[in-house]
Amino acid sequence: GEDVEQSLFLSVREGDSSVINCTYTDSSSTYLYWYKQEPGAGLQLLTYIFSNMDMKQDQRLTVLLNKKDKHLSLRIADTQTGDSAIYFCAENDKLIFGTGTRLQVFP
Amino acid sequence: KAGVTQTPRYLIKTRGQQVTLSCSPISGHRSVSWYQQTPGQGLQFLFEYFSETQRNKGNFPGRFSGRQFSNSRSEMNVSTLELGDSALYLCASLATGGTEAFFGQGTRLTVV
Repeated sequence: GEDVEQSLFLSVREGDSSVINCTYTDSSSTYLYWYKQEPGAGLQLLTYIFSNMDMKQDQRLTVLLNKKDKHLSLRIADTQTGDSAIYFCAENDKLIFGTGTRLQVFP
Repeated sequence: KAGVTQTPRYLIKTRGQQVTLSCSPISGHRSVSWYQQTPGQGLQFLFEYFSETQRNKGNFPGRFSGRQFSNSRSEMNVSTLELGDSALYLCASLATGGTEAFFGQGTRLTVV
């Protein structure tokens, strides 16, 4: 069945770049998403990329998609303490989410 | 425009009981998906309803069921509760042809 995998934790220093990785199995997805969940809150869409694109940049966020390897990444430039949250990738065919990566930013 | 509303926000049940959770999607959205979120398992897909029909289903036992009403509101039911069912249950609604799923704040279920 479809599966989306992420590493569970990432810890970075404030001001550094963060890179969160995701692999997926369903090649029929039209979109791939990154959602952010802050403590005690629901999930909010951060950004998404069409499956026919390789890269999308949105201010401090850069999404890279390697369709051949079914690998998606989210790069956050100049990471701030407010970026501390759980980040989920998801594919849109059945809106299957990864396990989430907990990003911790320390001063 | 109201967001996705889940009720109740918190619930405590004992093992063996059953529970019903409710989700009201954004007005006009016909797709509702349910997820279970636990610290160890992350966010797991339960099922998706569209126009009162279950369109997709995740790998959960038959104790987990759901339904959707003609006004697109959805309910999720868990029977014979187990301690391991303690989790945050999230629902998301999606507009037809839309690209963004909107999430409710979830119902935190504790089974004791």
